[in-house]
Amino acid sequence: DAGITQSPRHKVTETGTPVTLRCHQTENHRYMYWYRQDPGHGLRLIHYSYGVKDTDKGEVSDGYSVSRSKTEDFLLTLESATSSQTSVYFCAISGGQGLGTVSTDTQYFGPGTRLTVL
Amino acid sequence: SQQGEEDPQALSIQEGENATMNCSYKTSINNLQWYRQNSGRGLVHLILIRSNEREKHSGRLRVTLDTSKKSSSLLITASRAADTASYFCATDNNNDMRFGAGTRLTVKP
Repeated sequence: DAGITQSPRHKVTETGTPVTLRCHQTENHRYMYWYRQDPGHGLRLIHYSYGVKDTDKGEVSDGYSVSRSKTEDFLLTLESATSSQTSVYFCAISGGQGLGTVSTDTQYFGPGTRLTVL
Repeated sequence: SQQGEEDPQALSIQEGENATMNCSYKTSINNLQWYRQNSGRGLVHLILIRSNEREKHSGRLRVTLDTSKKSSSLLITASRAADTASYFCATDNNNDMRFGAGTRLTVKP
């Protein structure tokens, strides 16, 4: 899995509680991404990062925040989880074949985190 | 909203047959990628084709891209039971990566 780990792999939580998911890479890749996967929707981009402390919103960013204080870690936080955020969350990384905020390289995915919000 | 849309949604074939999956998209792209996902696992990158390329091969995989029709196809030749998985196309336009809902391929032994 290209040196990408996600933690936790499974989590059950209650509505209104904060949740943080962690993505860790050992590849020293510049770009990191968070996606969610839901039936009938494929994968949808939540947020991405193009460097330490550099992040931007994706297609479905509402209700989520991210932080990247080190190259190897990208955190996804649900400040107050809702049932609509029940999903499988995937982290991805890509190398530096790009300019600035844009990577044109292949993305490599982590194993996923299954989150259930009751 | 999805950018790429795969067709068919599901495909069932016998081992040894070829499998063809199609992807259509709506806006201009930098590149198009195909991924495979086995049940309960993450996505695995198969092949990337850039907007100025028309065809690429990788082992038993052949991908074509027609930017005038905004479509791509993935051909898996001589399929095996191990090819059973969901296949997704993803279009990349300046880090705006959009995935389709996927084609579920079943290869029967």
